[in-house]
Amino acid sequence: AQKITQTQPGMFVQEKEAVTLDCTYDTSDPSYGLFWYKQPSSGEMIFLIYQGSYDQQNATEGRYSLNFQKARKSANLVISASQLGDSAMYFCAMREDSGNTPLVFGKGTRLSVIA
Amino acid sequence: DSGVTQTPKHLITATGQRVTLRCSPRSGDLSVYWYQQSLDQGLQFLIQYYNGEERAKGNILERFSAQQFPDLHSELNLSSLELGDSALYFCASSVVERTEAFFGQGTRLTVV
Repeated sequence: AQKITQTQPGMFVQEKEAVTLDCTYDTSDPSYGLFWYKQPSSGEMIFLIYQGSYDQQNATEGRYSLNFQKARKSANLVISASQLGDSAMYFCAMREDSGNTPLVFGKGTRLSVIA
Repeated sequence: DSGVTQTPKHLITATGQRVTLRCSPRSGDLSVYWYQQSLDQGLQFLIQYYNGEERAKGNILERFSAQQFPDLHSELNLSSLELGDSALYFCASSVVERTEAFFGQGTRLTVV
C-alpha cells in the first residue's frame, strides 16, 4: 500500500509568491519522520526539511516550512517568496521509526516558477 | 555538496553485462541506502546497510547485490543487465537510521 501520496503532479507559481506542495501519508507507527527533498533538473536529491511525529512545532528552514497536521496525516511543504531556482521536482518521504524501515518516497510534484 | 560521493556519474553498458556502482558515505555516517529512480517507478528503495550489516531489503532483484565494506563505502553490483535496468541509481547515507539521509549525485545507468 502506498504510504506517501502527492496528488499534484505539477504546480506553477509566480516568482516571489508562496506555494504549498501537498503530501499525505499513512502509517500506524506512532513514531515516524517526514522529509522533503528537492530534485533539480541536474538530478541530485537535496534534503530540505524534517519533521518528527512528536515535534510540537512545525519545522522551518529558511524559506521552507512544513505544515504538519498530524490528525489529517498531512505534511505539506510551504515555500515562501519563490525564486526561479526553486523550479524542480519535490519529493515527500516518510520513515517509520519501528523496525528497519527505509525512507519511502511519494511520486513527486514538479514545481515551475514563472518570472 | 552533500558529502556523499558516487562513481561513476554515467555508465553505458550492453545487455547481459555486469557493472559495479560505488558509494562513499559522508564522513561519520554509518547507514548507507541504495535507491533506483526510473521514470515509471519513481524512487524505489533497494537495500540498506548499517555499519557493514544488511539492515533492510526492498525491491531488489536477485541479479542485484550490494555490500558495505569496513571503511563504510558501499558497492552495488548489477548483473545480467536488461534494458529495463536503465535508471538513476542513488546512494544515500545517514548518521544513524532515524535521521535525514543525504544523497549522492547518482549514477545514471544506460543499458543498450
